[in-house]
Amino acid sequence: DAGITQSPRHKVTETGTPVTLRCHQTENHRYMYWYRQDPGHGLRLIHYSYGVKDTDKGEVSDGYSVSRSKTEDFLLTLESATSSQTSVYFCAIREGTNEKLFFGSGTQLSVL
Amino acid sequence: ELKVEQNPLFLSMQEGKNYTIYCNYSTTSDRLYWYRQDPGKSLESLFVLLSNGAVKQEGRLMASLDTKARLSTLHITAAVHDLSATYFCALFNQAGTALIFGKGTTLSVSS
Repeated sequence: DAGITQSPRHKVTETGTPVTLRCHQTENHRYMYWYRQDPGHGLRLIHYSYGVKDTDKGEVSDGYSVSRSKTEDFLLTLESATSSQTSVYFCAIREGTNEKLFFGSGTQLSVL
Repeated sequence: ELKVEQNPLFLSMQEGKNYTIYCNYSTTSDRLYWYRQDPGKSLESLFVLLSNGAVKQEGRLMASLDTKARLSTLHITAAVHDLSATYFCALFNQAGTALIFGKGTTLSVSS
């Protein structure tokens, strides 16, 4: 167990509302990632972080922002949710000499 | 920009048969990862291939890496129902900062 938890596990929200997803790790890893998974697209990188207050954009960053004010927490915010952001969101940490990614359990987000 | 392509995207197999999933990528990389995902679950690491010619095996699955051809294969031997899942290959981008995934191969094994 890589010590990574995501919250909430499920969320239903309405178009135009802000939403924040949380990823928490217990093992002080430097790199953290947010991906979304959609049928036919596999996993696509939204944003990632390589340290406190150090973040960068991924392939599908439009409409999303992130923050990392503490090593253990990486927050993903949808400022104004749209139906196209209905997806499963996975957080991951990078660890080990092989630099594998370990994934959280995922958050199922539905935007109605 | 790194592109990762898997094929096939869907694979229906009979129990006991052999098959291979292919992962092609567009830029030089010395590390390749295979993950498995069961329906409704998270991703689980299967293999890490670290160099040209690397081969890893676990049970009925064997993965290999040819960096010159920019190709990795995941070979399934004598498929069983428990192998039904989606399999992803992934590599780090050239900056080494982000893991880029293929679209995944959904494997269905039936008797």
